[in-house]
Amino acid sequence: DAGVIQSPRHEVTEMGQEVTLRCKPISGHNSLFWYRQTMMRGLELLIYFNNNVPIDDSGMPEDRFSAKMPNASFSTLKIQPSEPRDSAVYFCASSLDRESEAFFGQGTRLTVV
Amino acid sequence: DAKTTQPPSMDCAEGRAANLPCNHSTISGNEYVYWYRQIHSQGPQYIIHGLKNNETNEMASLIITEDRKSSTLILPHATLRDTAVYYCITGGNTDKLIFGTGTRLQVFP
Repeated sequence: DAGVIQSPRHEVTEMGQEVTLRCKPISGHNSLFWYRQTMMRGLELLIYFNNNVPIDDSGMPEDRFSAKMPNASFSTLKIQPSEPRDSAVYFCASSLDRESEAFFGQGTRLTVV
Repeated sequence: DAKTTQPPSMDCAEGRAANLPCNHSTISGNEYVYWYRQIHSQGPQYIIHGLKNNETNEMASLIITEDRKSSTLILPHATLRDTAVYYCITGGNTDKLIFGTGTRLQVFP
C-alpha cells in the first residue's frame, strides 16, 4: 500500500481565496483524521471521521473550515476564505479502527499570502 | 492541553540506547500510552503503544511503571536516522490523540 496520500504537497494562495486539501486514506481503514501543525501551536486535531461520518469536529477553528468524506477513499479539507494565519502544514491520517495506530500522510504545506 | 510531560530535548550517541521518559500522572485506567515520532518535514510515525504491560516491537521497547504514571521509550541502538521529535500521548482511542511538544532527540556520531 502506498500509505496515506495527500495532495497537493505545497500550496501557495492569496488571502481570500478558497483552498482545498485532499486526502486518500489507506485502503480498508475506517477512521480518518485531519491535523494542523504550526510552530506556535504544534499538532492540533481538527476533525475525525469514522466510517465516513464526522465524529468530532471540535478542533475546527472556525466556520471558514469545512471537511467532507464522500466515500471511504477520499476526504477534503476546505478553507474559504483563506487567511494568512491559516498558513501551516496540514496532515491527514487514517487508522484501521478507533483503537489502532494512526498512519500519517506527508502533509500539505499551505502558505497564504 | 496535552496530558503528558516530556523533557524538551535529549542527546544520544550513535549505537547507544536512547531512553526517553514520559510522565502521565493523570492517566485513567482504560487509556493507552502511545509513542509517535516525527522526523523533520515528515508526518508523524507510529512507534509503539501499551496499556500496562511492557511492550517490544522491531522499533523500540516501552516500559510502563506499575502505577502507570510514567513510561520510558527505549531505542536499543540509536542511529542518526532516529533523530526526531518523539511524542508520548495517552488516550483511550486514536481519535483523542492530543500531541504535546514532545522530546527532540538528537543522535550524534
